[in-house]
Amino acid sequence: GAGVSQSPSNKVTEKGKDVELRCDPISGHTALYWYRQRLGQGLEFLIYFQGNSAPDKSGLPSDRFSAERTGGSVSTLTIQRTQQEDSAVYLCASSRGGPQETQYFGPGTRLLVL
Amino acid sequence: EDQVTQSPEALRLQEGESSSLNCSYTVSGLRGLFWYRQDPGKGPEFLFTLYSAGEEKEKERLKATLTKKESFLHITAPKPEDSATYLCAVRSSGGYNKLIFGAGTRLAVHP
Repeated sequence: GAGVSQSPSNKVTEKGKDVELRCDPISGHTALYWYRQRLGQGLEFLIYFQGNSAPDKSGLPSDRFSAERTGGSVSTLTIQRTQQEDSAVYLCASSRGGPQETQYFGPGTRLLVL
Repeated sequence: EDQVTQSPEALRLQEGESSSLNCSYTVSGLRGLFWYRQDPGKGPEFLFTLYSAGEEKEKERLKATLTKKESFLHITAPKPEDSATYLCAVRSSGGYNKLIFGAGTRLAVHP
């Protein structure tokens, strides 16, 4: 079956602009996660959704970052007033049930802020 | 604070030369240790989950083992297609909703 998909695959933006990153989880997966991967570093947790609600937003680095999920499926991560330090790969993962289930990752969106 | 450290950062092997990658962890109650493989420009691909000390899992040339402080990913007779970055992650009782990742080990297997 289809895996997790993300769009765009690459995004180049100018400092101060807003960006939206999209994630389509595996069909039937109720849990969705966003992570950030900076060059040469491990993945950093950003936010966890169960259905349309986000019980854990503890990893969002600032109020410029927000995310929503609609219909228990597609999620959008929005970064407002982008800064150069936001440059990274943003990865989305989904799991069948809650956090106790295996997380399956999408290919990521590579964001470059000039 | 939950922490994961992987070593070495990079490893170069000749085809057929077996070796092991290390993942050391400090967590407030382990609720799973995960190994992923990541190819350049792609997302992590799930390999194994281990839950308790003494547990072992195998897949083709890979074998993962777990103790109370660390996990090893053993690679037997590697092939060039095993070249990738191998990521270790943990889930803890203190941060159950998320995985804490190490920085990874970049493995290059040369013919």
